[in-house]
Amino acid sequence: ETGVTQTPRHLVMGMTNKKSLKCEQHLGHNAMYWYKQSAKKPLELMFVYSLEERVENNSVPSRFSPECPNSSHLFLHLHTLQPEDSALYLCASSQDMNIPYNEQFFGPGTRLTVL
Amino acid sequence: DAKTTQPTSMDCAEGRAANLPCNHSTISGNEYVYWYRQIHSQGPQYIIHGLKNNETNEMASLIITEDRKSSTLILPHATLRDTAVYYCIVRVSGSARQLTFGSGTQLTVLP
Repeated sequence: ETGVTQTPRHLVMGMTNKKSLKCEQHLGHNAMYWYKQSAKKPLELMFVYSLEERVENNSVPSRFSPECPNSSHLFLHLHTLQPEDSALYLCASSQDMNIPYNEQFFGPGTRLTVL
Repeated sequence: DAKTTQPTSMDCAEGRAANLPCNHSTISGNEYVYWYRQIHSQGPQYIIHGLKNNETNEMASLIITEDRKSSTLILPHATLRDTAVYYCIVRVSGSARQLTFGSGTQLTVLP
């Protein structure tokens, strides 16, 4: 398998549920990202990890909890979400945060619906 | 990072060249121009990037004006599969943390 994969592709959950989104990159990259894309809005960066260390957290509510156990895997743990959290959640990876040029490769996204 | 301005939408006939403009009048000398596109309900896809010289790859060409205040992405022979939102992003070289996506241009390729 190549590139950046995300599972599940679609998720419907109630506000009291706990679920996790998974991202895996097969590119040997050192940096991974979570983005949120709500309907008709630009992508919003949520979290950035470099070599499994969180380097950026853009004021994301605590009901979203990221985890990066190694440089190939990234999780987004969800609990007590709100309907307004329904969105497309995108994972991306890039080679290294310290090189001059740093193209990001995106996964297909998880379409999340919170009821 | 410099702000970019793009038209909201554009149409292009299949087989013709699609020329997508982007204004970045406040760009600084060390900022690159990147183009990504996002096909409906998929993740964004990198297309091309450049600093001041024109660039070409298998997907597209990037023309940057001499003063670097604007650029044009050219898809030489647009196909229906090129229908997507195209994002022009300006970012400092080495600023690897995030891509700031604006609203982009919805390109619709018509049969």
